[in-house]
Amino acid sequence: NAGVMQNPRHLVRRRGQEARLRCSPMKGHSHVYWYRQLPEEGLKFMVYLQKENIIDESGMPKERFSAEFPKEGPSILRIQQVVRGDSAAYFCASLELGHPKETQYFGPGTRLLVL
Amino acid sequence: SQQGEEDPQALSIQEGENATMNCSYKTSINNLQWYRQNSGRGLVHLILIRSNEREKHSGRLRVTLDTSKKSSSLLITASRAADTASYFCALNGQNFVFGPGTRLSVLP
Repeated sequence: NAGVMQNPRHLVRRRGQEARLRCSPMKGHSHVYWYRQLPEEGLKFMVYLQKENIIDESGMPKERFSAEFPKEGPSILRIQQVVRGDSAAYFCASLELGHPKETQYFGPGTRLLVL
Repeated sequence: SQQGEEDPQALSIQEGENATMNCSYKTSINNLQWYRQNSGRGLVHLILIRSNEREKHSGRLRVTLDTSKKSSSLLITASRAADTASYFCALNGQNFVFGPGTRLSVLP
């Protein structure tokens, strides 16, 4: 059973470009979380998705950021018109609900660098 | 805020010593989880303790939860250099909320 996969692992963009980060959850998992982590800091919740449904996007910036989790394919975190402050590590985690399996399984992260 | 607050922010100990990290929070939770992160990599789940549990063990790890004080502790016994990492508590209530972490350094 493959773990959570994220790609690319590293992404370099110039200011104003778009960044697309992909996350494939563990097999059988239908819930995905996205987090952002700045150096030396903890993870900040961004969005919680179920297939074809956004459950909680309270951590998403109001502009330039969007996320989706289609019926088929990976979850996508999209950042339009990137700025230097978007440079961070972005982690996704997948979740299998149900007692006692409420553990999040994390991907290796995508490190975004905005020049 | 539901955010967990770990302390200390950083901890440096000698190999073989015990390491204790604490997590405090402010709202009600369903469970509290501890995760480990090595050098900016993905987090690895260590242990989950439910709100109706007071203590759990897993190998060299011992977690306690005091819901009246809204606090949890993670104890790593007989630490090893390989335990060097950042440790985060995560509150599972309305959503998952991570604390800022404790950076543990175990010196050989």
